[in-house]
Amino acid sequence: GAGVSQSPSNKVTEKGKDVELRCDPISGHTALYWYRQSLGQGLEFLIYFQGNSAPDKSGLPSDRFSAERTGGSVSTLTIQRTQQEDSAVYLCASSSPGQGPPLHFGNGTRLTVT
Amino acid sequence: TQLLEQSPQFLSIQEGENLTVYCNSSSVFSSLQWYRQEPGEGPVLLVTVVTGGEVKKLKRLTFQFGDARKDSSLHITAAQPGDTGLYLCAGGTSGTYKYIFGTGTRLKVLA
Repeated sequence: GAGVSQSPSNKVTEKGKDVELRCDPISGHTALYWYRQSLGQGLEFLIYFQGNSAPDKSGLPSDRFSAERTGGSVSTLTIQRTQQEDSAVYLCASSSPGQGPPLHFGNGTRLTVT
Repeated sequence: TQLLEQSPQFLSIQEGENLTVYCNSSSVFSSLQWYRQEPGEGPVLLVTVVTGGEVKKLKRLTFQFGDARKDSSLHITAAQPGDTGLYLCAGGTSGTYKYIFGTGTRLKVLA
């Protein structure tokens, strides 16, 4: 029973470069979330996918951020033209078809923009 | 905009002491979860409370949901170094999938 898998675990990139963060949810979980966590603080909602429905992108901070989920499983969060303020831990979570808690989180990708 | 404020933000105590962490909002939630997060890992669910006034116990941890479902508390009895971590509350609203996370309480228990 694998949990939520995120890669890479760490990413250092130069300002202005694009990055892709990957999330592999728990098999059978139809709901997938991306959150951002800065400096070990609370979580900021970014985007939500549920099955084949249109995603809720209301939390994406700018048009440099985008995400997709292929085949209802793996998701990729892309940040274009990275800025230093994008430095944070990006957490992915999935949940069971009933959509209720708990959210099962991956260990996150720590992004550092230099 | 729904917000969840946690207090205190930081807490450092000696092993064996008791502590309470608070999670407050002006909004009503249909459910509230508490998570613990350790360095380098994602948050892990501790408990979910759904009824106003509900109290749940998990070994030395006691969770309470306020009568009006706007606030919650987490009480730890006889804290252990293994309790060290970031504690996060998260509120859910019926009919939506969004969970609003609190600002977090970083607990350090010294041996």
